[in-house]
Amino acid sequence: RKEVEQDPGPFNVPEGATVAFNCTYSNSASQSFFWYRQDCRKEPKLLMSVYSSGNEDGRFTAQLNRASQYISLLIRDSKLSDSATYLCVVNCHNDYKLSFGAGTTVTVRA
Amino acid sequence: NAGVTQTPKFQVLKTGQSMTLQCAQDMNHNSMYWYRQDPGMGLRLIYYSASEGTTDKGEVPNGYNVSRLNKREFSLRLESAAPSQTSVYFCASSDPKVIGARTEAFFGQGTRLTVV
Repeated sequence: RKEVEQDPGPFNVPEGATVAFNCTYSNSASQSFFWYRQDCRKEPKLLMSVYSSGNEDGRFTAQLNRASQYISLLIRDSKLSDSATYLCVVNCHNDYKLSFGAGTTVTVRA
Repeated sequence: NAGVTQTPKFQVLKTGQSMTLQCAQDMNHNSMYWYRQDPGMGLRLIYYSASEGTTDKGEVPNGYNVSRLNKREFSLRLESAAPSQTSVYFCASSDPKVIGARTEAFFGQGTRLTVV
């Protein structure tokens, strides 16, 4: 089983719509959680960290469910510029390594 | 404000050839990483260096070697390239003060390698 699994999508949504997707992780010792964004043929960049109580950054909301071992990302009022692949990233306790999911592709259409 | 710089950006190799991918960061980070990214597989860790002078295998180290030349530079070497090593390679750096600390990883622009 992969350490981090994501629905690859693609999620095709109109501008202004809300889109949400999850990521599951297998290691219960995981400590830190992140969402990275990757544009086509570009490097990944940090979108936001995910905190235990959930957190928002503008139109983006991240949630963590430790009991079920998943994190989620919700994008409100989608913009064309939100079209990208969103990578779920998990860091285990006592480990320097980041584990990446394969990514969820979101396409926002006009 | 360079961040993480990788060279080359593109490379085509013949099977059996060798090459070294270079990576340098100017953020004074302790930890550096090499990942490969293949369609549908996400980023997979090849090797990492938690700090200067140390290197460790990641998820897919076979066929690769690394050198942490100094705090700034972390190179990845393919001794005898194989078509299965066709991929996009990313170098990254971060500065976790303690293991597992919440810290951002910064990536280079990637190297697109094709082995024919």
